[in-house]
Amino acid sequence: DQQVKQNSPSLSVQEGRISILNCDYTNSMFDYFLWYKKYPAEGPTFLISISSIKDKNEDGRFTVFLNKSAKHLSLHIVPSQPGDSAVYFCAASTNNGGATNKLIFGTGTLLAVQP
Amino acid sequence: GAVVSQHPSWVICKSGTSVKIECRSLDFQATTMFWYRQFPKQSLMLMATSNEGSKATYEQGVEKDKFLINHASLTLSTLTVTSAHPEDSSFYICSASDTNTDTQYFGPGTRLTVL
Repeated sequence: DQQVKQNSPSLSVQEGRISILNCDYTNSMFDYFLWYKKYPAEGPTFLISISSIKDKNEDGRFTVFLNKSAKHLSLHIVPSQPGDSAVYFCAASTNNGGATNKLIFGTGTLLAVQP
Repeated sequence: GAVVSQHPSWVICKSGTSVKIECRSLDFQATTMFWYRQFPKQSLMLMATSNEGSKATYEQGVEKDKFLINHASLTLSTLTVTSAHPEDSSFYICSASDTNTDTQYFGPGTRLTVL
């Protein structure tokens, strides 16, 4: 039972354009969401997070949008850079996040930014 | 940011042997650590939550007698894959929770190949 899904296994965009990565979840108990970037044979690196009390959080080129009614979140990267090429995972947690809460990961989206 | 290490980074073993993987938080204390497994082109699947000084909490479907977890100190958790079989070949990733920054930090992962 995949509670967190990323329906696009891959995405290709041109350098300088916007990358939009999508994530859907089914468990209404999730109230904290995170995005991670991962290179092959490495651990995930935290990018940005959002609490369910917000609908948008922005950090530099990265913006996460949350639509609770649709149980959907998205990560926008603008402008996209070749160094952004990696696999992106969304993850969900309960109890308003917190370091000791377990994370449920999505299936990942491979982003390729073309120069 | 905080650093989490894993050792070894890769290991090849024969079927039927046991393999121990270490996860260390290098510059913070972690009462909680998590163990994940990632098969090729798939998501990170949470295996268990490791709590210092107590028994690990395993996710549904994960055999606790096969995947032994020991969290004997605030900076070290170990995962032992007992009687490993080829289907246990995977990428094992740990994370450690820093309660001071309320953030989980991931290790670089360990590639296990069972022949």
